[in-house]
Amino acid sequence: AQKITQTQPGMFVQEKEAVTLDCTYDTSDQSYGLFWYKQPSSGEMIFLIYQGSYDEQNATEGRYSLNFQKARKSANLVISASQLGDSAMYFCAMREPRSTGNQFYFGTGTSLTVIP
Amino acid sequence: DTEVTQTPKHLVMGMTNKKSLKCEQHMGHRAMYWYKQKAKKPPELMFVYSYEKLSINESVPSRFSPECPNSSLLNLHLHALQPEDSALYLCASSQQGPSSGERETQYFGPGTRLLVL
Repeated sequence: AQKITQTQPGMFVQEKEAVTLDCTYDTSDQSYGLFWYKQPSSGEMIFLIYQGSYDEQNATEGRYSLNFQKARKSANLVISASQLGDSAMYFCAMREPRSTGNQFYFGTGTSLTVIP
Repeated sequence: DTEVTQTPKHLVMGMTNKKSLKCEQHMGHRAMYWYKQKAKKPPELMFVYSYEKLSINESVPSRFSPECPNSSLLNLHLHALQPEDSALYLCASSQQGPSSGERETQYFGPGTRLLVL
């Protein structure tokens, strides 16, 4: 089974609008971390936001927030007030420190295009 | 400062060449990673070094040879590559501390775009 599932290969959003990128995960560990990365066409993977399995509040970092629904095993990324520079691939990732240590599991990614 | 640097940015090599990719971090991180990424795909883990020792080798062909000379540096030596090895090679590092746990974040470098002819 896939550890991380991103079901939206491509998304479009109007500039200044909000957009939600979906991510569901599969783990039997109690302790895990969820991460979102942005990868522009230049190639660098940029860390955006982190959510821990024990965190009771949804993570926020500037225009990025994470809609964490533990019972549904979902960790959707919300980008508010989209900008043209937000056009990129977005990857959701998970770490299970107890069972797989350093290893990150990545989803297949969502390509976001912001339309002026 | 969350900077990981990689050189070169671009590399073109023939199938008989020997070349090396370099990665450096000065964040005091003790885990370093090599990933291979094909276009429009997620990164695939190749190697993990933890405290300068190879801890994970994801069944990578022997034409890729990693080296960790010290805690800040990570090399990937390339020899007799195939055209299908053309990809973006990403280096990453993470803290690897006793308190990091599930929160341990990997920070990536800008990558080396490799073309094998």
